[in-house]
Amino acid sequence: DVKVTQSSRYLVKRTGEKVFLECVQDMDHENMFWYRQDPGLGLRLIYFSYDVKMKEKGDIPEGYSVSREKKERFSLILESASTNQTSMYLCASSLWDSLANTEAFFGQGTRLTVV
Amino acid sequence: SQQGEEDPQALSIQEGENATMNCSYKTSINNLQWYRQNSGRGLVHLILIRSNEREKHSGRLRVTLDTSKKSSSLLITASRAADTASYFCATDAYGGKLTFGTGTQLKVEL
Repeated sequence: DVKVTQSSRYLVKRTGEKVFLECVQDMDHENMFWYRQDPGLGLRLIYFSYDVKMKEKGDIPEGYSVSREKKERFSLILESASTNQTSMYLCASSLWDSLANTEAFFGQGTRLTVV
Repeated sequence: SQQGEEDPQALSIQEGENATMNCSYKTSINNLQWYRQNSGRGLVHLILIRSNEREKHSGRLRVTLDTSKKSSSLLITASRAADTASYFCATDAYGGKLTFGTGTQLKVEL
């Protein structure tokens, strides 16, 4: 079974802190994603990575950066946390497949509260 | 921008009834996928339909895709209380980059 593991289920940080959210997948997937989920807004893509050191901005990249130094690990960085970044963060991975079989596997989510 | 929009936003039915959720999207796609999320948890993949397919079944799930109307529907037959969850459609326009909609909250009452 594919496993996507996020480093924390719950996190509380102070405004202005630098925050690291870590995600690891164990199935050699090329694609990895970071989404944030807010009530009524669904899942919004922050960043997408399709290979090591390769990244693409999603719909809401402002205030975030990412790092993918190894294929299995994708980190989301909040450079200076703000209260409007309080949210549920979801990491996912998928295989890049020319037959369009791109089912994504999700971690359990990190509920981040910025105070 | 959000690619998929689900309709309705919330749906409440009795156990044993069928539940239908709809998804509309804006641009051409490689495939469309449906996911389920139990409260406060990660999403679980339910079914994927490719752009050249019109209908697909998996157990009690039936998905249709109309690329001319840029819409899809998910039908859950003979709903159970355990089906209570949020359901999301996601579109893959290229390379597996998934864009999700806002979701439908389904409540199945005993």
